[in-house]
Amino acid sequence: SQKIEQNSEALNIQEGKTATLTCNYTNYSPAYLQWYRQDPGRGPVFLLLIRENEKEKRKERLKVTFDTTLKQSLFHITASQPADSATYLCALEGGNTPLVFGKGTRLSVIA
Amino acid sequence: ETGVTQSPTHLIKTRGQQVTLRCSSQSGHNTVSWYQQALGQGPQFIFQYYREEENGRGNFPPRFSGLQFPNYSSELNVNALELDDSALYLCASSLPVGNYYGYTFGSGTRLTVV
Repeated sequence: SQKIEQNSEALNIQEGKTATLTCNYTNYSPAYLQWYRQDPGRGPVFLLLIRENEKEKRKERLKVTFDTTLKQSLFHITASQPADSATYLCALEGGNTPLVFGKGTRLSVIA
Repeated sequence: ETGVTQSPTHLIKTRGQQVTLRCSSQSGHNTVSWYQQALGQGPQFIFQYYREEENGRGNFPPRFSGLQFPNYSSELNVNALELDDSALYLCASSLPVGNYYGYTFGSGTRLTVV
């Protein structure tokens, strides 16, 4: 069956460091991979989308890579700040398959 | 440009009752998707509507039903509520696949079934 796994439930890092979150998937051929941020009690907020034929996408301090051979995406936040603390969700979409989400990784940036 | 608006924000219902949740999509978006999010889990896809037609459904029983209106707003109806239906229900709007840039989510409706 299709599965999306985000490497850890929680990740703690020091302010100023780079946070790296991992998303792996199986039995899936996504056309799009997306990352969302979710704060407690709120809906997810779209951050970045990367297409299957793209290797890397950047937006300000955010970088996403997409390796369809490894079936993996890495999400980086450089120069992390306490305001970056949130849950980050990986999501896949493609063909007739709607947008499906992983469980998320809760990031805590410690000052 | 308005975002996605959901109502109500919170709701308490008794097991066996029926509930209707409402969603206004972002201006210009013609696709609406509904998700259920239990505590500590990622959002689970319920169904999607495109131009008033159901365009995909997740692994949810038929007592979960929906509608999309000509103005692209949408409703989620749940009949015969069960305790496990307690969750955050999220609505998201988007343009169709191939012509969009991510989903815009509302803040959700927190449903508690007692």
